[in-house]
Amino acid sequence: SAVISQKPSRDICQRGTSLTIQCQVDSQVTMMFWYRQQPGQSLTLIATANQGSEATYESGFVIDKFPISRPNLTFSTLTVSNMSPEDSSIYLCSVELGGLGGRNFGPGTRLTVT
Amino acid sequence: GQNIDQPTEMTATEGAIVQINCTYQTSGFNGLFWYQQHAGEAPTFLSYNVLDGLEEKGRFSSFLSRSKGYSYLLLKELQMKDSASYLCAVGNTDKLIFGTGTRLQVFP
Repeated sequence: SAVISQKPSRDICQRGTSLTIQCQVDSQVTMMFWYRQQPGQSLTLIATANQGSEATYESGFVIDKFPISRPNLTFSTLTVSNMSPEDSSIYLCSVELGGLGGRNFGPGTRLTVT
Repeated sequence: GQNIDQPTEMTATEGAIVQINCTYQTSGFNGLFWYQQHAGEAPTFLSYNVLDGLEEKGRFSSFLSRSKGYSYLLLKELQMKDSASYLCAVGNTDKLIFGTGTRLQVFP
């Protein structure tokens, strides 16, 4: 299965600033997914990123707050804009797992907003 | 709407068997997945069911009943390292929707 890396692994940011999270996959993939996991909670899908088209956002998430880039088939970025303490979460990049519809996850980026 | 429910927490003893239930109501279904997530780590894939019945994989088994919208994950011969959160997830077209997760604590 694909190996996924994310940068940064963690960060502490001030309210009102933005952070861009990078996701790199070791093989070409059609779809990349961004999830959020708030403290003590399960995973919530933020958006699906296809190369060459705009990301598709889930209900409750908007492009202005979470802009996504997908410049090629192995890389994507998620920006968390104008951060507030409520954005403190783990952000996980994910790709399809073996064509079953499951997911393989990156190690996550632990974001704390003060 | 989408609804996937699991018990919030469970406890068990080393060497025992534990069953973690998952019920779901989703607009579509193309498979049910179980993931394990240790604290501070990313989820890792455990099992996949698309047809009714039991799938066995070593100490872990997963069961699915599509007509009942029900699945369970069975963990046998529990070990301390099995203390983790277990996430049930339903595949719906190209999306994977996660349940609330069950935090399992294994005691000696």
